[in-house]
Amino acid sequence: DGGITQSPKYLFRKEGQNVTLSCEQNLNHDAMYWYRQDPGQGLRLIYYSQIVNDFQKGDIAEGYSVSREKKESFPLTVTSAQKNPTAFYLCASQEAAVTDTQYFGPGTRLTVL
Amino acid sequence: DAKTTQPPSMDCAEGRAANLPCNHSTISGNEYVYWYRQIHSQGPQYIIHGLKNNETNEMASLIITEDRKSSTLILPHATLRDTAVYYCIVRVVGSRLTFGEGTQLTVNP
Repeated sequence: DGGITQSPKYLFRKEGQNVTLSCEQNLNHDAMYWYRQDPGQGLRLIYYSQIVNDFQKGDIAEGYSVSREKKESFPLTVTSAQKNPTAFYLCASQEAAVTDTQYFGPGTRLTVL
Repeated sequence: DAKTTQPPSMDCAEGRAANLPCNHSTISGNEYVYWYRQIHSQGPQYIIHGLKNNETNEMASLIITEDRKSSTLILPHATLRDTAVYYCIVRVVGSRLTFGEGTQLTVNP
């Protein structure tokens, strides 16, 4: 069963703690993305990776870090430097085709207490 | 990438066609029109895309005007499960997706 998985669906952390969100895909896509969504707003790009061992900052990278050691995995760490970490986090992967459609995971809702 | 304009909300009766408009008057010749939707608390779902010709798939139809300055997404027989935020995105192949606030479509019984 192909797709993108994100775990966990809900995550609670205390303020000041780092937390890592998981994103795995078995679609054999080269590119992967992390977005953040706040209530009533669209998605904003945090980081993206077009190939293993390479990644670029998106529009709101401050306070976040990523790694891309394997093609199928793109974990996101929300650090204590992120001032407003409570949000809905979405991971996506993209097929390398003429129209390069992105496919999204189910998301992780992070709440920092 | 060109900017898009969508109405913030629309209503549709169940079983009727839902027609969602999108204006993209600054679109350039190599930019595609993409539509995604997001059901509450889920990840966005790809619906359809097109360059200049009308497109149809099992989910929807996309009508792009001849001057390409606007488009309409058509859900031919809307169901309650089609209630979602619909995003119209214009982009060059290989560029990033930029999500605006979209249109909240509510399908009423």
